[in-house]
Amino acid sequence: EAGVAQSPRYKIIEKRQSVAFWCNPISGHATLYWYQQILGQGPKLLIQFQNNGVVDDSQLPKDRFSAERLKGVDSTLKIQPAKLEDSAVYLCASSPSRQNTEAFFGQGTRLTVV
Amino acid sequence: GESVGLHLPTLSVQEGDNSIINCAYSNSASDYFIWYKQESGKGPQFIIDIRSNMDKRQGQRVTVLLNKTVKHLSLQIAATQPGDSAVYFCADRGGKLIFGQGTELSVKP
Repeated sequence: EAGVAQSPRYKIIEKRQSVAFWCNPISGHATLYWYQQILGQGPKLLIQFQNNGVVDDSQLPKDRFSAERLKGVDSTLKIQPAKLEDSAVYLCASSPSRQNTEAFFGQGTRLTVV
Repeated sequence: GESVGLHLPTLSVQEGDNSIINCAYSNSASDYFIWYKQESGKGPQFIIDIRSNMDKRQGQRVTVLLNKTVKHLSLQIAATQPGDSAVYFCADRGGKLIFGQGTELSVKP
């Protein structure tokens, strides 16, 4: 079974530029999560999708971050404009359902904003 | 709101010893927890889970204990090996998936 795929693996941009991350979840998984993990901290949930609908985006900085999951499969997370404090690893995870099941993570995208 | 927290940010053990990593949670309605292992440069990887109708669950070299009275769970790793060196997270697996801060386990040869 193929795992959660993310790209790119690494990205370096200057502050105020824009960047996009892509995630392909495990086939058939209805729930998709985006997390931000700052060095030395636990992953922080940014947004959760159930199929192509948003379940929770309470911690997404909506003035600069946006995410979509077209057709309930792949997802993209965008930052525009980026700030220095956005430097982190962005993790995508998927699970068969919203709760009571294991969630599987991709390798993450390491973003450095300079 | 919901939160989970780990008691120690770092833990250093001798190879072959047992390791115990602790975690506390705040939501008394939480009924499903997962322990994840995260190695450097990788995403979190599932280790073991436990539901609230259980007090203990065992896997291969790992045991998770759940004390609902004091809202505490622990991960025990038997005969710790160098390959166990990583950051360990407990997560509250309710409708969301909420992580604690993590404990970094270092194994000394």
